[in-house]
Amino acid sequence: AQTVTQSQPEMSVQEAETVTLSCTYDTSESDYYLFWYKQPPSRQMILVIRQEAYKQQNATENRFSVNFQKAAKSFSLKISDSQLGDAAMYFCAYTGNAGNMLTFGGGTRLMVKP
Amino acid sequence: SAVISQKPSRDICQRGTSLTIQCQVDSQVTMMFWYRQQPGQSLTLIATANQGSEATYESGFVIDKFPISRPNLTFSTLTVSNMSPEDSSIYLCSVDGPYTGELFFGEGSRLTVL
Repeated sequence: AQTVTQSQPEMSVQEAETVTLSCTYDTSESDYYLFWYKQPPSRQMILVIRQEAYKQQNATENRFSVNFQKAAKSFSLKISDSQLGDAAMYFCAYTGNAGNMLTFGGGTRLMVKP
Repeated sequence: SAVISQKPSRDICQRGTSLTIQCQVDSQVTMMFWYRQQPGQSLTLIATANQGSEATYESGFVIDKFPISRPNLTFSTLTVSNMSPEDSSIYLCSVDGPYTGELFFGEGSRLTVL
């Protein structure tokens, strides 16, 4: 079974600084998808960024980028120029090629200090 | 993106009672997913609901405890039956997005069982 591990229960960052959230996963599949989801205090989860395992290039979405290390099964999220609105729970998630079930990590609570 | 409305947004329930959560989507979708998020924890998939067929439950979740209805392509309900304090959680409805593994979530229903 696939597992997703987020080793940082909480992180904090100063506004305008950069922070990296860690995620590792375990799978025997070669084709899969990885995601970072954000859950603000209002609770609605939204997708931040996604990465297809077959792509070597790291995904980027504005201030959000990932460092995908397939051999190491590592998928970290970098947030640049952190803003107060980035404060939320961040969940790393995995799905196999069939895409029929997401496995979530335990989450990292990000606090942004003004 | 799909707009997902859940009702109730929160409720306080007595032990032994049952509560039905409604999920309405603004577009037709094949599959709807129900997740549970226990306090301070990650998301766990309860079941997948396809229109016109029985819901598929994940390990540890049974139909008698979490009966699900899916009468049409835009609506689903999840009932939490014979509630105990351990059922206090946020219950989230979600649907597939356009990309593999992408999900759109409702804002969740926070249940507190006394």
